[in-house]
Amino acid sequence: NAGVTQTPKFQVLKTGQSMTLQCAQDMNHEYMSWYRQDPGMGLRLIHYSVGAGITDQGEVPNGYNVSRSTTEDFPLRLLSAAPSQTSVYFCASSSRQDHTEAFFGQGTRLTVV
Amino acid sequence: KQEVTQIPAALSVPEGENLVLNCSFTDSAIYNLQWFRQDPGKGLTSLLLIQSSQREQTSGRLNASLDKSSGRSTLYIAASQPGDSATYLCAVMNTGFQKLVFGTGTRLLVSP
Repeated sequence: NAGVTQTPKFQVLKTGQSMTLQCAQDMNHEYMSWYRQDPGMGLRLIHYSVGAGITDQGEVPNGYNVSRSTTEDFPLRLLSAAPSQTSVYFCASSSRQDHTEAFFGQGTRLTVV
Repeated sequence: KQEVTQIPAALSVPEGENLVLNCSFTDSAIYNLQWFRQDPGKGLTSLLLIQSSQREQTSGRLNASLDKSSGRSTLYIAASQPGDSATYLCAVMNTGFQKLVFGTGTRLLVSP
């Protein structure tokens, strides 16, 4: 059982480049979300989805886009990378059942130069 | 707006000690509270999940309590081991939302 899988694990981008962080879960969870983790600030919610075709903004959505075409996948797109987006990104999923325990991927460490 | 605070930010103890990590939150209208462990450069591993109707949960040497009315949770680690060294994160889920609000964590170092 793979759980939540994120790719890539590491990425270096130049300012202005775009890229997509991939997230996939095999637990048939309805809820998926993206967080970024920065030193001294904890994890902050970027975007989330309560089901296929439904997405909403979190606390820090600017500069990021998401879509949810399937239950399994929830990609995060950086439209035009900026140094302020240097961070570690985590994808999480949870079920409407199972008391909504959240499961996290291993993270993507992104550096924008 | 929900805010979560964890004290202390860092803790260093000798092996074998029992220890308590603290988590406080400002809005008591929570759905659940979850404790995570994070090793350096790794993802988050769920340790314990406490529903709002529960007072505590136990898993092995770990015990987490919840006092919703006072906005507090504690994570008790019995007989600490060097392998317990990690950052421990507390997160709450508010009622009506499927989003977690995290504290900034407690970095624990257990020395042999």
